[in-house]
Amino acid sequence: SQQGEEDPQALSIQEGENATMNCSYKTSINNLQWYRQNSGRGLVHLILIRSNEREKHSGRLRVTLDTSKKSSSLLITASRAADTASYFCAEVDDKIIFGKGTRLHILP
Amino acid sequence: GAGVSQSPSNKVTEKGKDVELRCDPISGHTALYWYRQSLGQGLEFLIYFQGNSAPDKSGLPSDRFSAERTGGSVSTLTIQRTQQEDSAVYLCASSSLTNTQYFGPGTRLTVL
Repeated sequence: SQQGEEDPQALSIQEGENATMNCSYKTSINNLQWYRQNSGRGLVHLILIRSNEREKHSGRLRVTLDTSKKSSSLLITASRAADTASYFCAEVDDKIIFGKGTRLHILP
Repeated sequence: GAGVSQSPSNKVTEKGKDVELRCDPISGHTALYWYRQSLGQGLEFLIYFQGNSAPDKSGLPSDRFSAERTGGSVSTLTIQRTQQEDSAVYLCASSSLTNTQYFGPGTRLTVL
């Protein structure tokens, strides 16, 4: 399968804690993107990191990229109940390939 | 089995013309999504169908964009009076109750 994988598949943490999700991909990439999907809604683009970048920040989000290991991580700091969703990484070259996602549940 | 298909795969049109893009979802998938991806950008959500109804149209960028789905299957995305900024790859995805989205190959739209 060409599909990358997120790890863990599911994650439950207390509100206020940090959440870390990892993604491994299989192909060479132009960029890697992270998306969020709330239940029953479309994918929402969160952040894009290019293959020549190693770290990127956006608000409470921090993404790292290690091209030697073909892996990326998404860190959400100071989690909130509204962060409960599924998170997907997508490897982008001449096509876009989504991983299976991590289901994140923030406990009140 | 058959995946999500989209047609045409490429469309070149002149500014001001109308275009219609088609998506055939996986048989039995109740949910259908349209996205747009401009060069070097992330996916931009456009619209989501559950059956024939569209509970979320929040992503349509202007009233020139419309979409319909009939018979709970095929969907068409129509762009009226196309503009150059409409040039992008338009992706369709469908999902069943598991919510995993399966993407089609996309339609590359170029507005001259």
